[in-house]
Amino acid sequence: QKEVEQNSGPLSVPEGAIASLNCTYSDRGSQSFFWYRQYSGKSPELIMFIYSNGDKEDGRFTAQLNKASQYVSLLIRDSQPSDSATYLCAVWGNSGGSNYKLTFGKGTLLTVNP
Amino acid sequence: IAGITQAPTSQILAAGRRMTLRCTQDMRHNAMYWYRQDLGLGLRLIHYSNTAGTTGKGEVPDGYSVSRANTDDFPLTLASAVPSQTSVYFCASSATPGQGEAFFGQGTRLTVV
Repeated sequence: QKEVEQNSGPLSVPEGAIASLNCTYSDRGSQSFFWYRQYSGKSPELIMFIYSNGDKEDGRFTAQLNKASQYVSLLIRDSQPSDSATYLCAVWGNSGGSNYKLTFGKGTLLTVNP
Repeated sequence: IAGITQAPTSQILAAGRRMTLRCTQDMRHNAMYWYRQDLGLGLRLIHYSNTAGTTGKGEVPDGYSVSRANTDDFPLTLASAVPSQTSVYFCASSATPGQGEAFFGQGTRLTVV
């Protein structure tokens, strides 16, 4: 079982709409959750992190975490064409001792149509 | 400008050749990581280092080796390259293992022919 799963996409939304990206994870001990954005041919860049249950808002972005359901999501309000990218969910896990690893989902390709 | 520098940015390599991908960070981060990114498979961890002098295996370590002689450098070596190692390789670092944001280098696009 893949440790971090994302809805496969691709996801296409019109400009100005809300884009909803979802992620589930398998490690119940995970405490830190991240959303990265990756433009084609570029490296991943962090856009949001969340550690506590509930919502965290930053501008047009809202991250939501539900540890009981092992679910984390990212909402993008007022989507812009410049938001078109692949969004990666990432979760810190520990396979024992000091074996920390940041595991990524396969990513969801978002296209915002003008 | 602080960050992570990878070299080379791209390389075409003959199968069977040895290759070292370089990674240097100037943020004094303790932890460093090597990922490969392949279409449909996402980012997969190859090796990691929680601190200088220590390394560990990730999800796909076979055919790769790393060393961490100091805080700043974390080279990745392919001892005898094979076509299945064609990929985009990203080096990353975080201040503390298991916590906080991971910062990424610009990537190395490697083609093994």
